[in-house]
Amino acid sequence: SAVISQKPSRDICQRGTSLTIQCQVDSQVTMMFWYRQQPGQSLTLIATANQGSEATYESGFVIDKFPISRPNLTFSTLTVSNMSPEDSSIYLCSVDTPTGVSSYEQYFGPGTRLTVT
Amino acid sequence: AQTVTQSQPEMSVQEAETVTLSCTYDTSENNYYLFWYKQPPSRQMILVIRQEAYKQQNATENRFSVNFQKAAKSFSLKISDSQLGDTAMYFCAFGGGSNYKLTFGKGTLLTVNP
Repeated sequence: SAVISQKPSRDICQRGTSLTIQCQVDSQVTMMFWYRQQPGQSLTLIATANQGSEATYESGFVIDKFPISRPNLTFSTLTVSNMSPEDSSIYLCSVDTPTGVSSYEQYFGPGTRLTVT
Repeated sequence: AQTVTQSQPEMSVQEAETVTLSCTYDTSENNYYLFWYKQPPSRQMILVIRQEAYKQQNATENRFSVNFQKAAKSFSLKISDSQLGDTAMYFCAFGGGSNYKLTFGKGTLLTVNP
């Protein structure tokens, strides 16, 4: 498995501002994923980030609102732009197995708890 | 599109007893993977167990085992000798197709009582 860290672990932000969440992995991975988990809900995939290509966004999520960077095989960022209280959620980064062969098994970071006031 | 259904929003069990969490799924894929993840109050998602669809043998990890019924598209998790630390939200997840995404169920909140 991989060791994944996220920064910040939590933040309280004002509406209209933006927050960038960082995800760092201790080994090279092919695929990185960003999820949103609204209070008391399950995980919803925002986008898949592959190194060297544009992120692939799920229905209901757009690049202008959630721009993603993937500059190398161990790091990615998710920005939540022009925030509103509806963006208050836990944001989770995950990676596939660091074997070079994706197998759907994903390992998750500790999450970032975002509160927008 | 795949769907994952967990019909038990909440469950409780006494410490040291056995509990089974249910999960059903729907897919047209023939090769796929199924997972159970645990999310304790710390919110860290932890992989509990995985099952490859092509394997008939049910996966086991210490006190955790699954009952995989491919024809019925059922994937239940059995926790034996429940411990207080097992208290968490449990998510069933499906992985299949060419995009390597996971589809999660809504979760079951399990409380282990002393």
